[in-house]
Amino acid sequence: IQLTQSPSLLSASVGDRVTLSCKGSQNINNYLAWYQQKLGEAPKLLIYKTNSLQTGIPSRFSGSGSGTDYTLTISSLHSEDLATYYCYQYNNGLTFGSGTKLEIK
Amino acid sequence: QVNLLQSGAALVKPGASVKLSCKASGYTFTDYYIHWVKQSHGKSLEWIGYINPNSGYTNYNEKFKSKATLTVDKSTNTAYMELSRLTSEDSATYYCTRGTYFDYWGQGVMVTVSS
Repeated sequence: IQLTQSPSLLSASVGDRVTLSCKGSQNINNYLAWYQQKLGEAPKLLIYKTNSLQTGIPSRFSGSGSGTDYTLTISSLHSEDLATYYCYQYNNGLTFGSGTKLEIK
Repeated sequence: QVNLLQSGAALVKPGASVKLSCKASGYTFTDYYIHWVKQSHGKSLEWIGYINPNSGYTNYNEKFKSKATLTVDKSTNTAYMELSRLTSEDSATYYCTRGTYFDYWGQGVMVTVSS
């Protein structure tokens, strides 16, 4: 399954509501996770099984979707959310999306 | 607390091999598969394969089947990945991570292939 993330680059202001998209080439059956990777660091798990928030992750992060279309939402952008975000499917094989780089205006 | 500690950066010559390590602590090593992920500079993430630390069973991404070999040493809670016949295309940061959801990651190790 191939994953297409959009946009590849997103610029937003602190306090904005931000939505990142991840589309699969086939049905993912909700076996989708989201990771945040800050510069020079390892990825960090944010969301698993489409909408389950990983322990310790702020509640401003949420996930949704079904079938082939999935979304990561940051309800109110913080400056520390500057990072690249990757989706990952584990329904059929294991693949990552190409990432969305989030910039703070 | 769960920790995956990876070996240090490696500079290796083309054609050589390198063996990377990932030492797990803070949980029962055999309870979670260990996966390895490649990230070329400035690029996305690629899943290489996983190993079941309990049985030693492995599963590889087709792309890496002839490149990577995964093993474990249960006595030291350490997973290993050997990369063979290295080329410049293998220069990247390699991560180990665990479980279905990749909830904990090693700090990553940079491998540079250069003569």
